[in-house]
Amino acid sequence: SQQGEEDPQALSIQEGENATMNCSYKTSINNLQWYRQNSGRGLVHLILIRSNEREKHSGRLRVTLDTSKKSSSLLITASRAADTASYFCATDAGNNDMRFGAGTRLTVKP
Amino acid sequence: DAGITQSPRHKVTETGTPVTLRCHQTENHRYMYWYRQDPGHGLRLIHYSYGVKDTDKGEVSDGYSVSRSKTEDFLLTLESATSSQTSVYFCAIREDGGNYGYTFGSGTRLTVV
Repeated sequence: SQQGEEDPQALSIQEGENATMNCSYKTSINNLQWYRQNSGRGLVHLILIRSNEREKHSGRLRVTLDTSKKSSSLLITASRAADTASYFCATDAGNNDMRFGAGTRLTVKP
Repeated sequence: DAGITQSPRHKVTETGTPVTLRCHQTENHRYMYWYRQDPGHGLRLIHYSYGVKDTDKGEVSDGYSVSRSKTEDFLLTLESATSSQTSVYFCAIREDGGNYGYTFGSGTRLTVV
């Protein structure tokens, strides 16, 4: 069963706009990770946030984590057409069974 | 992806035949994983390995077996392929210790007819 649930399932925006994706999960975690997947390719690790962290930045990416609400968000600022992809959150409970959500499909229109 | 390769990239096989997928890494990472990806389900863990000859089951292990005789190779075998095993299979590796992300291979698209 999935641990993370992404919302929305699909998101379409114009180039230059910000994109926000949300993830909710059910059990305690060691960390939460976000991945990107381009069509027909493998997943690429974007960012990891530990359970004792609340916010993390990497370039145009900003991730927040609220362990009391069991939720996370991924913000992509100033989006580009090349950001078009599916984005997955994954929860790591430290038991080698990282659970992935079904993903958010982001389309950035030029 | 750098450091991890999967073979074959595509395969069509008949129901009831055995199939073996290969994952090869050059990173010398201890942990290796096999996932399957199906529409609406995200990725689900099939089996993983925490060292040579050390493996354990994941969420959807029925009908699959694995072997790891060398650090660099992790094989996934479908004992007798069924149509429900039509999927995209991904291998992933991870460094030892906590709080590391996974590096994924490019996937194997398997069709069972």
